[in-house]
Amino acid sequence: EILLTQSPATLSLSPGERVTLSCRASQNIGRVLAWYQQKPGQAPRLLIYQTSIRATGISARFSGSGSGADFTLTISSLEPEDFAIYYCQQRSDRPSGITFGQGTRLEMK
Amino acid sequence: QVQLQESGPGLVKPSETLSLTCTVSGGSINNYFWTWIRQPPGKGLEWIGYMYSNGNSDYNASLKSRLTISLDTSKNQISLKLNSLTPADTARYFCARDRDGYNIWGPGTMVIVSS
Repeated sequence: EILLTQSPATLSLSPGERVTLSCRASQNIGRVLAWYQQKPGQAPRLLIYQTSIRATGISARFSGSGSGADFTLTISSLEPEDFAIYYCQQRSDRPSGITFGQGTRLEMK
Repeated sequence: QVQLQESGPGLVKPSETLSLTCTVSGGSINNYFWTWIRQPPGKGLEWIGYMYSNGNSDYNASLKSRLTISLDTSKNQISLKLNSLTPADTARYFCARDRDGYNIWGPGTMVIVSS
């Protein structure tokens, strides 16, 4: 099983700040990585797929990058609605090959 | 637009079998991967498994021995059956459509395993 480790676990920031979230895979996964945002009481929302492609309707302030085993999600300037939990997710071609990271909580300072 | 709605019993007893249904409206289930994901209270997301509309499937190795996912194209539904339940299976269960990522989710249904 490919493990995804997200860091940090929690971030406390203010609106307007720039933030970069990290997701590290336990082995090379190419670029098959996605990012999701989840707010309390809601289903997750797809932000980014295939490492860097924004999903439909997602603001350009969200960007993804990386390859191999190291990936990042950057929010260029935090808006109040961006404070949430962010998960990365990978899919490999192996059986049982889909896993999520443990999440990064983005809190308002 | 396509919408998903999960339904299930809410409360089940340990050792029993959980049966959940995800009903798809506004579109067909054909030619997509359909996935179940769960989230224990206060915890992260766990991928359960998927089925493609041609019948191909893949399951989380930790659940595989207890799990069945199936599609009913006539009803536009995806089903999940998980047997031998324990309190560790308590979670919100989501269904999601997979196309370049899980781009459509249902609101989820909460399942509590308790006697």
